[in-house]
Amino acid sequence: EVQLVESGGGLAPPGRSLRLSCATSGFSFKEYAMHWVRLVPGKDLEWVSSVSWNTGRTFYAESVKGRFSVSIDNAKTSLYLQMNSLRVEDSGFYYCAKDSHVDPVVGGATLEYWGQGTLVTVSS
Amino acid sequence: SYVLTQPPSVSVAPGQTARIPCGGDNLASKSVNWYQQKADQAPVLVKWDDPVRPSGIPERFSGSNSGITATLTITRVDAGDEADYYCQVWDGDRGHVVFGGGTKLTVL
Repeated sequence: EVQLVESGGGLAPPGRSLRLSCATSGFSFKEYAMHWVRLVPGKDLEWVSSVSWNTGRTFYAESVKGRFSVSIDNAKTSLYLQMNSLRVEDSGFYYCAKDSHVDPVVGGATLEYWGQGTLVTVSS
Repeated sequence: SYVLTQPPSVSVAPGQTARIPCGGDNLASKSVNWYQQKADQAPVLVKWDDPVRPSGIPERFSGSNSGITATLTITRVDAGDEADYYCQVWDGDRGHVVFGGGTKLTVL
């Protein structure tokens, strides 16, 4: 059974940093792309970042480029999102999701499984 | 940037068929996926560009793509289908995942 468990959310003042983690199990970690998506309460789903294990390619939304960084730990089969220079508008539920493809450049992006999310609140 | 357009809301009576549209340029060249998000829950993939339905998704959920508009169709709607529904594609030109603005399905 595929399982994705996010952690690391919390309250941070603007300008500070948070690091989100996504622990995975139930699938061959290196064979699928992974994504971070956020939901701002009262608003829409917003894609944040993607990474392909196979190629090492990373992708970022314009709103987070240069501030957020996605990485993986193959030994721990975990996905991370380092969030620096946080802004109020970065607040929301952050979900990690497993793709059904190895690389979105090759097969597109289909977010087949999702974690339950972790809440990030950026406020002074 | 690539944009997917959805109506904010769709209402349907129980037992009827709900159709949720998603508009975008040149959709025929893209694989369109659909996600259901119920209140306080994570999104769930309900339709992908594959003849085989995602695991656990009933036959009542189906999709079509005319090239200009993709449509998620839910037959025999019941109260348990109330949720926000999002369409999604991969924008290969920019290397971005793109979501539509979401449609709130209300069962009257």
